[in-house]
Amino acid sequence: GESVGLHLPTLSVQEGDNSIINCAYSNSASDYFIWYKQESGKGPQFIIDIRSNMDKRQGQRVTVLLNKTVKHLSLQIAATQPGDSAVYFCAENNRGTSYGKLTFGQGTILTVHP
Amino acid sequence: GAGVSQSPSNKVTEKGKDVELRCDPISGHTALYWYRQRLGQGLEFLIYFQGNSAPDKSGLPSDRFSAERTGESVSTLTIQRTQQEDSAVYLCASSPRPDNTEAFFGQGTRLTVV
Repeated sequence: GESVGLHLPTLSVQEGDNSIINCAYSNSASDYFIWYKQESGKGPQFIIDIRSNMDKRQGQRVTVLLNKTVKHLSLQIAATQPGDSAVYFCAENNRGTSYGKLTFGQGTILTVHP
Repeated sequence: GAGVSQSPSNKVTEKGKDVELRCDPISGHTALYWYRQRLGQGLEFLIYFQGNSAPDKSGLPSDRFSAERTGESVSTLTIQRTQQEDSAVYLCASSPRPDNTEAFFGQGTRLTVV
């Protein structure tokens, strides 16, 4: 399992730049994916989701891309703002076995400099 | 408030004692989830309740952990004979649907076992 501990991947960007956060998922049977944002001392906040029958989905300032061939998920944030600074987690779910069980990635720390 | 409420927000307990953590989901949400988050890591699934169906307990790490939910309301997570490795933030989430969509997380209970 994952054992990164405190050494999470980090991404530092300037305000206004676009950010891309990547995630490699583990289960080829996963059919639903979610990106969460977690600010210090708070619970995760839903950002965007995508089902496995899609390869791209757009939200407000965010886009999620799914590449099932290489089991890769990415989150693109347009015009990144200081308020976007947080830890970002991807999560996968295999609805064929359990709706409730999300498997989370280790997280990426995004820091946006004004 | 309309969010998921967890109590207590912080709990310090002595090794060997039992603790009980509480989650009040959003009214009307049929699905409820418990996750554990160790420092600097992603979330680990513990248990999932959906309506009156049998809960998915596959994530509970040992028989010291148990959880209950009465109907579609409050849930309690109990840890017996706490160990230092139980120290973590315990997060609860609820969803209006059984499939993780629109799952809202509480702020968590930070448990410290000394």
